[in-house]
Amino acid sequence: QSVLTQPPSVSAAAGQKVTISCSGSSSNIGNNDVSWYQQLPGTAPKLLIHENNKRPSGIPDRFSGSKSGTSATLGITGLQTGDEADYYCGTSDNSLSASWVFGGGTKLTVL
Amino acid sequence: QVELVQSGAEVRKPGSSVKVSCKASGGIFSSYTFSWVRQAPGQGLEWMGGINPIFGTVAYAQKFQGRVTITADKSTSTAYMEVSGLRSDDTAVYFCATDRGGFFENWGQGTLVTVSS
Repeated sequence: QSVLTQPPSVSAAAGQKVTISCSGSSSNIGNNDVSWYQQLPGTAPKLLIHENNKRPSGIPDRFSGSKSGTSATLGITGLQTGDEADYYCGTSDNSLSASWVFGGGTKLTVL
Repeated sequence: QVELVQSGAEVRKPGSSVKVSCKASGGIFSSYTFSWVRQAPGQGLEWMGGINPIFGTVAYAQKFQGRVTITADKSTSTAYMEVSGLRSDDTAVYFCATDRGGFFENWGQGTLVTVSS
């Protein structure tokens, strides 16, 4: 069971928009920045969003992030088949059990 | 942009140990903190611990305390992660990543460790 809660799967048609939620608590999301990672099948994760809503160089503006209270959201617009991947949220955790926690991951299917 | 290249796949027997390396190039090694993240087959990402080569400070997830050792060699720009007392549920892909103090910017390609008798 992951500390951060994500929906196991989401789907939408090509060209449409999808959002992926990430829910935590005051010990993690509530007091720390959130980052998002895309993992294509058989590859290493790739940083998509950092510090809640900042995109690294090379990440298209179709990807966006937001945070409110103890939850965060990843948005993807203009869905493409190449966006089919697993998406993970992550953040620091102030509890003793771990310094960093991830969500369980969300499988995005582009119909 | 730093590139991280990890050592190759390993097969180990239960109870043994494995040490995975992560060599950094294209950046200033000591300016990064390195974390290790693992992913069991079909499962999500799990943070194991990290090291700051400048200060030599190391932090571990409580789950891995006492069984995982993370080190770094500044002379070769390489970070290491050793797991002892291997069990079948340690079978996973192990990733190293540069930790910018709030997010993981660069990732190694991953190293598959298989624990089987």
